[in-house]
Order: sequence, then structure tokens, then C-alpha cells
Amino acid sequence: AQSVAQPEDQVNVAEGNPLTVKCTYSVSGNPYLFWYVQYPNRGLQFLLKYITGDNLVKGSYGFEAEFNKSQTSFHLKKPSALVSDSALYFCAVRDAGGGFKTIFGAGTRLFVKA
Amino acid sequence: DAGVIQSPRHEVTEMGQEVTLRCKPISGHNSLFWYRQTMMRGLELLIYFNNNVPIDDSGMPEDRFSAKMPNASFSTLKIQPSEPRDSAVYFCASSQTDNYGYTFGSGTRLTVV
Repeated sequence: AQSVAQPEDQVNVAEGNPLTVKCTYSVSGNPYLFWYVQYPNRGLQFLLKYITGDNLVKGSYGFEAEFNKSQTSFHLKKPSALVSDSALYFCAVRDAGGGFKTIFGAGTRLFVKA
Repeated sequence: DAGVIQSPRHEVTEMGQEVTLRCKPISGHNSLFWYRQTMMRGLELLIYFNNNVPIDDSGMPEDRFSAKMPNASFSTLKIQPSEPRDSAVYFCASSQTDNYGYTFGSGTRLTVV
């Protein structure tokens, strides 16, 4: 069975500082990994994905994530946070051989302070 | 493309009433998903369809919930009878292939009183 853990309910960062939102996963096969962002009263928006290839993937709005197979992690990062990055972030995993079913983490709320 | 379209955006209904939520996926996407989001349980996958066929409905809470996808451009999620504990935001999402991310609709906020 697939599972995703986002160990932090909330992350606080000052504007201009780097940010990291943590994610670990568990799948029986090879993982497809995703990050989504949700703004208030909106649906989730796709940020980036890891399917295969380079462990460092780049996505929208300057975000990137690093796939670490040995640590089963896929942490989201950004070199310099903006106040407008404040939102709810979801990590998600799908088993590459398991069809379309994607499991989402509980979400991490990011607050970027000016 | 207008994205994934859900209707209504908000629904308030009385306990015991039937509720129908609607979704129009992105044209060309062959998979459709219904999720429910609550503070307590986060995002829960209720059911998903591939090429209009239900593949996994193990997340449907109970027999009061049913979903259909009569064609590639339309899906419904029905709750009959509704209960206060069904109050949540229901999201529809669609995807093109299995290694793509999802495109989510804006959701339907359901309140059952």
C-alpha cells in the first residue's frame, strides 16, 4: 500500500530565506512523486513531479524537489521564499506499476513572513 | 481550455436530502478522480475512473455514495440520503496519463444541516 508522510503541520520562514517542506513516502514499487499547492478556497495546483531521471526536479514558481531513494524522501525547496508562497502544500505518491491511484499527504501549511 | 469544471461551487442541504455534484474534466484526459477534503481527514480518494470505467471505488464511504461517468466529458457524485458528517469540500480532478499530475477543479463546498 502507498503512504505519504508530511511530518510538519506548519513551516514558518522569513521572506528571502530558503524554505524546505518535508515529505517521505512508502510504495511497494517505483514511485511517481508530486507536489501540489492549495490557496484558500481553491483547488490544488500541480507544482512538479518526479517520474524518472535526475533526482532534482524543477517546477513552477521557482520550486524544486529532490528525490532521495535511500531515504524515501521528496522534500520541496525554494532558495528564496516570497510572502505569496504562503499556502498549503501537499506531497503525493503513486506506485508506478499500480495504476492511477494517487495518495496525498496531510499537507503542510507554509507561512512566509515579510 | 477552461480546466476542470465543477458545479455547484456551494451546496447547502438538509439532512436526508439527495445531493448531486457534477464535474466536467479536461477534454482529452482519460482519467477522472473524486476526492473529499476535510480538516480531520485531509484529502481522501473516493473513486476514480479510467476511460469512463470505475477502477477503484474502495474509498467510497458507504452505500449512500455513488458515482457515474456516462461519457468522457461528464461525471456525477451522488449522496443519498445526505448526513451532516458528509459536509466537506469535494474535488474532481482529471489526468491525461499515469505519469502526469492531476488538474483539480475548484471544488464543491457541501454543507449538510
